[in-house]
Amino acid sequence: DAGVTQSPTHLIKTRGQQVTLRCSPKSGHDTVSWYQQALGQGPQFIFQYYEEEERQRGNFPDRFSGHQFPNYSSELNVNALLLGDSALYLCASSFRDRKTGELFFGEGSRLTVL
Amino acid sequence: KQEVTQIPAALSVPEGENLVLNCSFTDSAIYNLQWFRQDPGKGLTSLLLIQSSQREQTSGRLNASLDKSSGRSTLYIAASQPGDSATYLCAVCIDSWGKLQFGAGTQVVVTP
Repeated sequence: DAGVTQSPTHLIKTRGQQVTLRCSPKSGHDTVSWYQQALGQGPQFIFQYYEEEERQRGNFPDRFSGHQFPNYSSELNVNALLLGDSALYLCASSFRDRKTGELFFGEGSRLTVL
Repeated sequence: KQEVTQIPAALSVPEGENLVLNCSFTDSAIYNLQWFRQDPGKGLTSLLLIQSSQREQTSGRLNASLDKSSGRSTLYIAASQPGDSATYLCAVCIDSWGKLQFGAGTQVVVTP
């Protein structure tokens, strides 16, 4: 049973560029959430997707956008990159109707903005 | 606004000692609390999930308690091993969609 998979694992961009990160949820999961983790800090909630719609959003600017596909996989897009966007981006999946609420995380995508 | 605090920020113990990691949160209206382990540069591994109606959960050498009224959770790791060296993160679930609010973590080093 494959867990949550993310790609790419590492990438380097320059300020002003755009980046797309990808996530495949754990088998059987239909909800995907994205988190940003800066060095030495806990992850911060970016947004969550269910049934191909953004259900809720954290305190992140509109430069951060996402998408969920019919197969439940998801993308995170960040436009006009800033140095402060350098972080580990984590994808988490869950099953909406399962009331335990347990989230499973991927290994993350490490983004460095120069 | 929910805030989650983990103290201490770092901890070093000799192998064999028991580990006690603390987590506090400001709003007792939580759905559940999860403890995660994170190795350097890696993702999060779920260790224990405690539902809001539960007082504790156990898995092997790990035991986590939850006191909602006082806004506290404690993770106990018995007979620590060098392989337990990692950062441990506490997160509270603040809505029915599973949104998590994390603490900053406790970095643990277990010396042989």
